[in-house]
Amino acid sequence: NAGVTQTPKFQVLKTGQSMTLQCAQDMNHEYMSWYRQDPGMGLRLIHYSVGAGITDQGEVPNGYNVSRSTTEDFPLRLLSAAPSQTSVYFCASSYSGGRWSPLHFGNGTRLTVT
Amino acid sequence: ELKVEQNPLFLSMQEGKNYTIYCNYSTTSDRLYWYRQDPGKSLESLFVLLSNGAVKQEGRLMASLDTKARLSTLHITAAVHDLSATYFCAARPNTGNQFYFGTGTSLTVIP
Repeated sequence: NAGVTQTPKFQVLKTGQSMTLQCAQDMNHEYMSWYRQDPGMGLRLIHYSVGAGITDQGEVPNGYNVSRSTTEDFPLRLLSAAPSQTSVYFCASSYSGGRWSPLHFGNGTRLTVT
Repeated sequence: ELKVEQNPLFLSMQEGKNYTIYCNYSTTSDRLYWYRQDPGKSLESLFVLLSNGAVKQEGRLMASLDTKARLSTLHITAAVHDLSATYFCAARPNTGNQFYFGTGTSLTVIP
């Protein structure tokens, strides 16, 4: 039972580089989302998806792109990394059909942009 | 956009004492969630509260929801060191699927 799998665990980028954070879930969850966690800021929603082919912006979408071609995968792309994107990123998924369903989180990706 | 506020942000308490963490949210919601995060780890679901007056208990933790006041509480009874962690509440608007999180409460239980 893998749950939500994120890769990589750690990444260091130089300013201006691009990269993709991978997220996959094997629970057949319709809802998937990306958060960033910064000290004193809690978790802030970057993008989310309610199903394959459907994505929408969260609170802090600038500088990030997402796509959802399958139910299982929801990659997050940093187009041109900036030091302000240094953060811990969490992917999370949930079953949309039940109000009772909490978010299930991956183990996080710690990103440093120099 | 739903705003979620938690207080206190930091809590240092002695073992054996009781305390309450408060979670206020800005718009109508009857879906409230509590999570625990240990340092350097991911978030783990603790409680799901889905109606006004809902109360859930697990060990020394008890969570409740008052949808009229837009308030949820997490009560800690007779704290022990193992409860040291950061606790987050999250709310979902009644229409929509997004989860909005509070800033977290960092709890340290001192022997």
